[in-house]
Amino acid sequence: AQSVTQPDIHITVSEGASLELRCNYSYGATPYLFWYVQSPGQGLQLLLKYFSGDTLVQGIKGFEAEFKRSQSSFNLRKPSVHWSDAAEYFCAVGALGYTGTASKLTFGTGTRLQVTL
Amino acid sequence: KAGVTQTPRYLIKTRGQQVTLSCSPISGHRSVSWYQQTPGQGLQFLFEYFSETQRNKGNFPGRFSGRQFSNSRSEMNVSTLELGDSALYLCASSNGTSGSISYEQYFGPGTRLTVT
Repeated sequence: AQSVTQPDIHITVSEGASLELRCNYSYGATPYLFWYVQSPGQGLQLLLKYFSGDTLVQGIKGFEAEFKRSQSSFNLRKPSVHWSDAAEYFCAVGALGYTGTASKLTFGTGTRLQVTL
Repeated sequence: KAGVTQTPRYLIKTRGQQVTLSCSPISGHRSVSWYQQTPGQGLQFLFEYFSETQRNKGNFPGRFSGRQFSNSRSEMNVSTLELGDSALYLCASSNGTSGSISYEQYFGPGTRLTVT
């Protein structure tokens, strides 16, 4: 069964500082990996995804993530955090389904990011 | 292009009642998935529909059901509501088609269900 672990429940960083959110996954086949962000009262917005190819993927809002198969990790990074980045971040792994979509996502428990000014 | 829409946005029901939530996918998207988000269990996959057929199912009791219409709109139904069903129900759509890959899911804002 697939699983995702986000070891940090809550992280606080200063505006302008760098950020790294950790994600470890367990999946028996080629993983389809995602990072989503959720602001209070909102749905999930896709930041970036990894299906195959280059292990360093770029996303929206200046985020990037690196897939490391040997470590079963897909950590999210941003070189300089903005106050508007404060939100909850979810890592997810998907199983390739009938529709060709990496559906049936399994999410981590999320990391809440607080940004201090 | 309009995003995924979910109605209603908020709902209060009493234990034992049933509820129907609606999701309209992004125009042209044919796959709709549903997720439940609670503080205790986090985000959990409920089911996925494509071409009016359930293609994937999560580990939820039979009280949770869904369907998809020919225009790809989807509804989910929860019967005999329990207090533990209080959650944010998220719908996601994708443009996946059989035989192709790399289609991500786009989420709606969710329906906040409170069971009293």
